[in-house]
Amino acid sequence: NAGVTQTPKFQVLKTGQSMTLQCAQDMNHEYMSWYRQDPGMGLRLIHYSVGAGITDQGEVPNGYNVSRSTTEDFPLRLLSAAPSQTSVYFCASSYGRDPSYEQYFGPGTRLTVT
Amino acid sequence: AQSVTQPDIHITVSEGASLELRCNYSYGATPYLFWYVQSPGQGLQLLLKYFSGDTLVQGIKGFEAEFKRSQSSFNLRKPSVHWSDAAEYFCAAYFGNEKLTFGTGTRLTIIP
Repeated sequence: NAGVTQTPKFQVLKTGQSMTLQCAQDMNHEYMSWYRQDPGMGLRLIHYSVGAGITDQGEVPNGYNVSRSTTEDFPLRLLSAAPSQTSVYFCASSYGRDPSYEQYFGPGTRLTVT
Repeated sequence: AQSVTQPDIHITVSEGASLELRCNYSYGATPYLFWYVQSPGQGLQLLLKYFSGDTLVQGIKGFEAEFKRSQSSFNLRKPSVHWSDAAEYFCAAYFGNEKLTFGTGTRLTIIP
């Protein structure tokens, strides 16, 4: 099993550009989520999905879109990048939304918006 | 408001010394509690978790944590640290609101 994979590892964008951060898991997990990690702020939930076709907002969803067309993939789209979106982004997955299920995290994507 | 606090931003300990990382939460009940470790350039890995029952929880890599309801704390401990324990450690809690709330993290440096 590859676990949770994320691409790219690093990305530099100019303000206003769009891009998609990719996330995939091969563990047949129903629950997937995106976090951003900023210095001094821990991880904050952006969006999550409890299964294919179902997504919902986390605590910091503005400026991001998600979709879940398959169980394996959960891409995060930045429609018009802003410097405030400079961060490290982590994708995570687990068997279900119940917190008793361990969340597995990907290695992260470091995004810089200039 | 529900929150998780890690009072120590950075801790330095000598290899072989004991370690305690602090975590406090603010909540009207007992949340589910977690400790994660993030090695440089890596994602987060679950060390241990507490839901109920025995307040001393054993985890991976020789770590343990003790839940103290009276102090709203869930401190992480290790009797003897190794150089490979250098990482960032995050305490997190589930307050029943569909998401994990993370603390701001404690960076651990090990000196020889």
